[in-house]
Amino acid sequence: AQKVTQAQTEISVVEKEDVTLDCVYETRDTTYYLFWYKQPPSGELVFLIRRNSFDEQNEISGRYSWNFQKSTSSFNFTITASQVVDSAVYFCALSEIRLLTGGFKTIFGAGTRLFVKA
Amino acid sequence: NAGVTQTPKFRVLKTGQSMTLLCAQDMNHEYMYWYRQDPGMGLRLIHYSVGEGTTAKGEVPDGYNVSRLKKQNFLLGLESAAPSQTSVYFCASSPGAKTSGRSGELFFGEGSRLTVL
Repeated sequence: AQKVTQAQTEISVVEKEDVTLDCVYETRDTTYYLFWYKQPPSGELVFLIRRNSFDEQNEISGRYSWNFQKSTSSFNFTITASQVVDSAVYFCALSEIRLLTGGFKTIFGAGTRLFVKA
Repeated sequence: NAGVTQTPKFRVLKTGQSMTLLCAQDMNHEYMYWYRQDPGMGLRLIHYSVGEGTTAKGEVPDGYNVSRLKKQNFLLGLESAAPSQTSVYFCASSPGAKTSGRSGELFFGEGSRLTVL
């Protein structure tokens, strides 16, 4: 079965602290995609990163980094030196290809709300 | 670039009323989706479409209908609104599976907040 678990409902940190958001997924497919999306207080959903199941390289983009480990089915997201503007809800998502009908089946975690205090 | 546009952004309905949410995308994407977002539950798929003239049920389809008469538009209808349908609705589109580098990525509209009294 397809499932995404974000065990951390809310995290509160002080500015400049590092913070890691956890994401654990379940899938039977060998080909799948993992995503992180950000939802700031304004409400829109912003794409952050896409990783396919064959690429376990960690990625760094500025203050953001992602750790993908197939062995533990985890795709964790770390913000280094957090800033107030990082305050948002972050969603991890798993996308599988629909072989019969085409398109993708994407399931989201419940989200982690991050508060960064000045 | 407009991307994905949803109308209306806000709506208040009384129980039993009907309404339609319109989603339009200008990226020539094959796939379109309607999600609802409720506190603590992430986004749940209502219906989706893999091409013009096709629709399929998602995770929580009851009480909703959809149509995709044109490739760029995906309509979500509530025939008889219920308070349980109070939510934020997001439309999304995505390119085909063969589109390198973007497979599976969802492009979202800004959301439509619906309140059913």
